[in-house]
Amino acid sequence: TQLLEQSPQFLSIQEGENLTVYCNSSSVFSSLQWYRQEPGEGPVLLVTVVTGGEVKKLKRLTFQFGDARKDSSLHITAAQPGDTGLYLCAGALGTGNQFYFGTGTSLTVIP
Amino acid sequence: NAGVMQNPRHLVRRRGQEARLRCSPMKGHSHVYWYRQLPEEGLKFMVYLQKENIIDESGMPKERFSAEFPKEGPSILRIQQVVRGDSAAYFCASSVSGANVLTFGAGSRLTVL
Repeated sequence: TQLLEQSPQFLSIQEGENLTVYCNSSSVFSSLQWYRQEPGEGPVLLVTVVTGGEVKKLKRLTFQFGDARKDSSLHITAAQPGDTGLYLCAGALGTGNQFYFGTGTSLTVIP
Repeated sequence: NAGVMQNPRHLVRRRGQEARLRCSPMKGHSHVYWYRQLPEEGLKFMVYLQKENIIDESGMPKERFSAEFPKEGPSILRIQQVVRGDSAAYFCASSVSGANVLTFGAGSRLTVL
């Protein structure tokens, strides 16, 4: 069973459109991270959220941690081809150092 | 300040051979994690190590797989008697003790013929 489920699994949109990616679980996380991975490379950290209800912005990307710290969303405004990649959420449980990764959302932005 | 270094980047093995994947963490990082990734999928946790200790190996298959992080040198993920199902990308990440940020290497892609 997968601890973190992401939706949608695949997303193909036109340049300039907005999109939201969801990361859901029945578990409570002490922190949650979003990563972006390009083909042939390792994931690169985008953001870490630790407080329920927290919202962080990174240019055109907005990240939100659910109030109960069980879910998170990533919203991209005016998507660009450079946003293409695999977006992964990852959560840490309690004080443990193990990070559980979501199933991933593969985003393609068409010029 | 070099990042997490993994080698080899690509490895081809025939069924029954051994595969050894190496990971040098970022300078100052004493925690190493190994993850496995299949195409278009997320990362599956395998093992978490600190220097000379395995902290959590709950994601490691019980047979053929082992990992170590010696006092000196890189962390090594060893797969004995490889089978075609072992073909995947294996990623290493490191972190500072107690931190909640992972820095990933570029991965090692294992192909079993």
